[in-house]
Amino acid sequence: NAGVTQTPKFRVLKTGQSMTLLCAQDMNHEYMYWYRQDPGMGLRLIHYSVGEGTTAKGEVPDGYNVSRLKKQNFLLGLESAAPSQTSVYFCASSWPHPPRLAGANTGELFFGEGSRLTVL
Amino acid sequence: AQSVTQLGSHVSVSEGALVLLRCNYSSSVPPYLFWYVQYPNQGLQLLLKYTSAATLVKGINGFEAEFKKSETSFHLTKPSAHMSDAAEYFCAVSIINTGANSKLTFGKGITLSVRP
Repeated sequence: NAGVTQTPKFRVLKTGQSMTLLCAQDMNHEYMYWYRQDPGMGLRLIHYSVGEGTTAKGEVPDGYNVSRLKKQNFLLGLESAAPSQTSVYFCASSWPHPPRLAGANTGELFFGEGSRLTVL
Repeated sequence: AQSVTQLGSHVSVSEGALVLLRCNYSSSVPPYLFWYVQYPNQGLQLLLKYTSAATLVKGINGFEAEFKKSETSFHLTKPSAHMSDAAEYFCAVSIINTGANSKLTFGKGITLSVRP
């Protein structure tokens, strides 16, 4: 049971470089999310998706782009990395609520193990 | 919009002592409430959740939380702390029946330390 898998787990970038974080889930979840975690700030939502082909902005979307071409994958891109984007990034997935299917989870998020990004 | 307040950033208890981590929420409609735990260098995992059934919710590892609507609180407790409980704990709120806008809002987290 892989659940939610994030790659890469660690990355160091120079300012101005670009990169993509990949999130893959094997639970057939409709919703997927990208959060960033910074000390003293908790988790802040960057972007999310409510289904294949859809994306929406979260609380801190600037400097990031996302794509959801396949239901199981959610990509987070940094076009021109900045030191302020040094953070730990978490992907998560869930069913929507109210649950569409009997027995489905009620909005609970399932998290990946995180991707630590350092921008020099 | 919903929000969560976790007072304080760090709690330290002795092994065997009561653990109490506070969470207050703000929501204009009935909420779902969650507690997540994050061990060092790991992702978040669900401890327990309130989804409008019983107000006293039991979770994994001996933790429980009580939903108190009058106090807009969902405090996390454990009668006897264990060294393995040392971690960061996040309270989160989501709104029932929000359809396509369903997403969790997290508090800033509380680091729990357990002294031998």
